[in-house]
Amino acid sequence: AQKVTQAQTEISVVEKEDVTLDCVYETRDTTYYLFWYKQPPSGELVFLIRRNSFDEQNEISGRYSWNFQKSTSSFNFTITASQVVDSAVYFCALNYGGSQGNLIFGKGTKLSVKP
Amino acid sequence: DAGVIQSPRHEVTEMGQEVTLRCKPISGHDYLFWYRQTMMRGLELLIYFNNNVPIDDSGMPEDRFSAKMPNASFSTLKIQPSEPRDSAVYFCASSRGRAFNEQFFGPGTRLTVL
Repeated sequence: AQKVTQAQTEISVVEKEDVTLDCVYETRDTTYYLFWYKQPPSGELVFLIRRNSFDEQNEISGRYSWNFQKSTSSFNFTITASQVVDSAVYFCALNYGGSQGNLIFGKGTKLSVKP
Repeated sequence: DAGVIQSPRHEVTEMGQEVTLRCKPISGHDYLFWYRQTMMRGLELLIYFNNNVPIDDSGMPEDRFSAKMPNASFSTLKIQPSEPRDSAVYFCASSRGRAFNEQFFGPGTRLTVL
């Protein structure tokens, strides 16, 4: 079965702290894609990153970084020096089945960054 | 460039009424997705289209739900008759080229069925 688990329901940090959001996935497919989306209080989902199953290189984009480890089926997201504007719900998602459009989302982690 | 457009943004209706949600994907995108978001079930894929053709509707909850895409720039999600448990935020998203490419989401339609 395909599944995405975000065990952290809510996280609260103080501005400038680093924070890591965990994502564990399950799939029997060898070809799959992992995503992170951000849902700010306004409600719209915003794409952050896509990773394919053959590329385990970590990625850094400004204050954001992602750690993909197939050995532990994890795709964790770290925000360095968090800011109030980072407050949002963050979703990890899995696309499986090769070219299919079946995107499965985790339940999300609500991040609150306090000034 | 305009993003994905959804209308209405909010809909309040009474049980038993027909509800139609509308979506205009980003121009040039050939995939269109409908999702539903609730507190209990999270984000669920309902159906998606490729070049206006439904590819996978296994997420559509029951026969009361139907979706159409008459052309590349318009899609509808219809619920008839509506029930209180259909209350949710419905998102439309579109992508280009491959089903697993980045999806661009609309602002959503918040549906309340009384």
